[in-house]
Amino acid sequence: DTAVSQTPKYLVTQMGNDKSIKCEQNLGHDTMYWYKQDSKKFLKIMFSYNNKELIINETVPNRFSPKSPDKAHLNLHINSLELGDSAVYFCASSQALTGRQFGPGTRLLVL
Amino acid sequence: GENVEQHPSTLSVQEGDSAVIKCTYSDSASNYFPWYKQELGKGPQLIIDIRSNVGEKKDQRIAVTLNKTAKHFSLHITETQPEDSAVYFCAASINTGNQFYFGTGTSLTVIP
Repeated sequence: DTAVSQTPKYLVTQMGNDKSIKCEQNLGHDTMYWYKQDSKKFLKIMFSYNNKELIINETVPNRFSPKSPDKAHLNLHINSLELGDSAVYFCASSQALTGRQFGPGTRLLVL
Repeated sequence: GENVEQHPSTLSVQEGDSAVIKCTYSDSASNYFPWYKQELGKGPQLIIDIRSNVGEKKDQRIAVTLNKTAKHFSLHITETQPEDSAVYFCAASINTGNQFYFGTGTSLTVIP
């Protein structure tokens, strides 16, 4: 199936730990994104990235860093996890003139 | 920057009735307006979109209308079914690029 996939689907961890969430798209899109969805369902852009440019939302703490090994992958690494990082994280991708396609989400719970 | 407002935040309708969700935007340069449906435990899914060169678009039971002058666009769902229950998000962007702004979402419940 052509899609955006994320792993893991659920992530439960302790405060202070470092964790990564992986994202892959096989749609051939040239831009990938990470979004954070809080308990009120607000979708907040964290990063957008293509092979030319990384755009960071200035409100995102520098504990969050995207890493792109190639055009089809954009992983999210989080250092020193905090309670407030608990949320659902969505990866998405798009190509010029198309809407964004989202992955299934990673539910992060920091204890 | 763009400001997208979405109303109502919650909406309950009887099965078979119509549902309408409205969004307004502030940046007249916005020219692409997608709608997403997010079912429980899943990611947002693009269900319909409209570009600024058209005023209305239909796909079976869903339709979107756009009023560029008033800077508002609406999602219309006719003959609602229980499986239409979800959170719906509107968005406004310029050429689907990085300037892409979501509304705050509408939780739709269709009562059987």
